[in-house]
Amino acid sequence: DTAVSQTPKYLVTQMGNDKSIKCEQNLGHDTMYWYKQDSKKFLKIMFSYNNKELIINETVPNRFSPKSPDKAHLNLHINSLELGDSAVYFCASSHDRATQYFGPGTRLTVL
Amino acid sequence: ILNVEQSPQSLHVQEGDSTNFTCSFPSSNFYALHWYRWETAKSPEALFVMTLNGDEKKKGRISATLNTKEGYSYLYIKGSQPEDSATYLCARYNNAGNMLTFGGGTRLMVKP
Repeated sequence: DTAVSQTPKYLVTQMGNDKSIKCEQNLGHDTMYWYKQDSKKFLKIMFSYNNKELIINETVPNRFSPKSPDKAHLNLHINSLELGDSAVYFCASSHDRATQYFGPGTRLTVL
Repeated sequence: ILNVEQSPQSLHVQEGDSTNFTCSFPSSNFYALHWYRWETAKSPEALFVMTLNGDEKKKGRISATLNTKEGYSYLYIKGSQPEDSATYLCARYNNAGNMLTFGGGTRLMVKP
């Protein structure tokens, strides 16, 4: 069974569109995250979310928003996609600040 | 040090060589230091989580040490094998929240 899953694996879309990436974890973790792997291959935290609070990296544009329908899911919504949003996005989960378990990544290409 | 920094950025070694690399991080408000192994086209996988000054962790041929007072951690690989080729990431939690800050990684290539 996959511990942290993301869909879709690849997403190709036009500039200006709105899209979502889904993330699910079956580990019973209380905290989930979204990361962006930038053009230099660095992993940058975008959001950290548990049932108590959402922590947002202040550098993330407000076109990006996380939505959590329940503890096992944290979806990433992106409005008005721009060329610079093209990247690989990773979801992860953990129990509090312990080891993080990463999903397989979603490669987003904005044309 | 404002960010988490890793050195070297990349490293080429021969099979059988032992190697080590460094992670430097802000020592103030420290909570935990993570090491992850990231193979190409895969997801990062956890190696170690360390929280206490002087911590040493070991998994097979890989070990790590932590100095929270001066803000650094070393990762050691003994007798490198081609399958050790990957990017090794360190990441720091501060004690103010749930944000893990990653370094840029050290890319290790082990030649057979």
